[in-house]
Amino acid sequence: QVQLQQWGAGLLKPSETLSLTCAVYGGSFSGYYWNWIRQPPGKGLEWVGQINHSGSTNYNPSLKSRVTISVDTSKNQFSLKLSSVTAADTAVYFCAREGGGSPVGYWGQGTLVTVSS
Amino acid sequence: QLVLTQSPSASASLGASVKLTCTLSSGHSSYAIAWHQQQPEKGPRYLMRLNSDGSHSKGDGIPDRFSGSSSGAERYLTISSLQSEDEADYYCQTWGTGILVFGGGTKLTVL
Repeated sequence: QVQLQQWGAGLLKPSETLSLTCAVYGGSFSGYYWNWIRQPPGKGLEWVGQINHSGSTNYNPSLKSRVTISVDTSKNQFSLKLSSVTAADTAVYFCAREGGGSPVGYWGQGTLVTVSS
Repeated sequence: QLVLTQSPSASASLGASVKLTCTLSSGHSSYAIAWHQQQPEKGPRYLMRLNSDGSHSKGDGIPDRFSGSSSGAERYLTISSLQSEDEADYYCQTWGTGILVFGGGTKLTVL
């Protein structure tokens, strides 16, 4: 049973860097893409980016200049950094793993990140 | 450009069936999609992958009441014997080389 557990700071000031980590329990860590997805309050889902176990990344073009996703295979963890945050980055951030034939088959529990001065 | 279009809302009565639609943008009618359910105040849950030929594979523990079908650029999610817990937002999602896209979501109300 694949479980994803995520954590990180929930309150940031404008211009700070958002930092979240997702740990994977159960199942293989190798051979999959690992995604970050966000959901602003009351809105739909937006893909942020992805990484595989060898460190190959793809980012949403609208966020690419500010996003860094990294992986630590020794800990079965992957992380998200989003720099220069503004109020528009306030959202619940989800980590997700490929599964069931979809790039997003397993979801983390979500972390609310609020950007406010 | 790879885009998914969903109706913002749908409704159906308890015990009835409902068919939700997700439309792929022009030139992408061969793409597979995935359906996800998000109940109020919860995180999303993966329902199924749906291929262009209508074949689908469901996620762990997804009831038989949930099924998928396809026609051209349209991808459908049918929920039969609607229950109160099916009231939720439903998102379709697709992917291409180096990109992943979500539809805007359909809010399903069970009457």
